[in-house]
Amino acid sequence: SQTIHQWPATLVQPVGSPLSLECTVEGTSNPNLYWYRQAAGRGLQLLFYSVGIGQISSEVPQNLSASRPQDRQFILSSKKLLLSDSGFYLCASGTSGDTQYFGPGTRLTVL
Amino acid sequence: EDQVTQSPEALRLQEGESSSLNCSYTVSGLRGLFWYRQDPGKGPEFLFTLYSAGEEKEKERLKATLTKKESFLHITAPKPEDSATYLCAVPTSGTYKYIFGTGTRLKVLA
Repeated sequence: SQTIHQWPATLVQPVGSPLSLECTVEGTSNPNLYWYRQAAGRGLQLLFYSVGIGQISSEVPQNLSASRPQDRQFILSSKKLLLSDSGFYLCASGTSGDTQYFGPGTRLTVL
Repeated sequence: EDQVTQSPEALRLQEGESSSLNCSYTVSGLRGLFWYRQDPGKGPEFLFTLYSAGEEKEKERLKATLTKKESFLHITAPKPEDSATYLCAVPTSGTYKYIFGTGTRLKVLA
């Protein structure tokens, strides 16, 4: 099965600062990659997904962007964080219609 | 429109008190239904995949079943360590995306 790595595990950032969250995947090739955000006590909100290197689909217009520089690397970024960007960020990997596997998540607090 | 609804939102059980969680779905051409367990502050952990109506899968005290409209996660004689949020998800029609339910928060009391 796949292993998803995310870092950092926890991050506290001031409003207006930049952001870079990284996700790497082991145990598979050419996966579909996903970024989700989960607000406290709520469901998973899909932010971005990618079906290949350099291919990014955005689901929610917002302050964030994503990139996929390598087959098994997915990066979530922001140039200037907002208070509303706080949340629990999850990276997931899977093949079309098959099981998604999740990373451990990054807890982001914007102050 | 593809949709997934989970019920109840929260469930409190005494240790040993069996119950079921529900996941109702609306999607054209089901390509699988997935159950996950999520502990606080952690990523969802994969439990089961069901592909066709009538299929059942078991793991320890958990059994997942699937019909053409819904899936059930049966918990038999639960223990406190089964306390978690349980999520279900389906791939959407004709896309690479998945729809997740909002989950059932299960609390098992000793």
